[in-house]
Amino acid sequence: GQQLNQSPQSMFIQEGEDVSMNCTSSSIFNTWLWYKQDPGEGPVLLIALYKAGELTSNGRLTAQFGITRKDSFLNISASIPSDVGIYFCAGQLYSGGGADGLTFGKGTHLIIQP
Amino acid sequence: DAGVIQSPRHEVTEMGQEVTLRCKPISGHDYLFWYRQTMMRGLELLIYFNNNVPIDDSGMPEDRFSAKMPNASFSTLKIQPSEPRDSAVYFCASSSGPVNTEAFFGQGTRLTVV
Repeated sequence: GQQLNQSPQSMFIQEGEDVSMNCTSSSIFNTWLWYKQDPGEGPVLLIALYKAGELTSNGRLTAQFGITRKDSFLNISASIPSDVGIYFCAGQLYSGGGADGLTFGKGTHLIIQP
Repeated sequence: DAGVIQSPRHEVTEMGQEVTLRCKPISGHDYLFWYRQTMMRGLELLIYFNNNVPIDDSGMPEDRFSAKMPNASFSTLKIQPSEPRDSAVYFCASSSGPVNTEAFFGQGTRLTVV
């Protein structure tokens, strides 16, 4: 099956710093998604990417769909305390005969020190 | 719309008992997904439905697990008999299509089997 390698596993940063995390895959995806999960809640979609090379922003968040379709990164600028949580990348493959469910990375745990 | 609704939020049961988890997808969404989240394995797709029909159940761990979707607004995931290793958070998600759409997650059911 498809494997997603997400790094780093955890990040300890100071408030105001920029954050960068990425995912790589052993195979291609048609769609890359980035989710954030708060304790006791389900993942919430942050950014969706649909085309290779696409660069998309959502406020302080920026994500890119790699040209090879096997990788994606998420950047957070000027981190604030509410950015704390676990960030997941997810890929989806659509092959014409139907779509697969999402394949998730293991997550990046973001901790912000005041 | 209230989003994806799951019940119960928490379930504690004894080994060997039957457990039923419930999900109400977002109205109008044709796709429904069941995921399981554990510390060791992260988020894993168990099964997904399109228009109430199971499409891919290759992620269902074993015959003790079964899922149904009797109508467009309701799905169940049943474990019979339950085992301690089934302890996890189970998420339901729905989306409006397979391609270029995003899955919205419920808040999850935290299952503990003792």
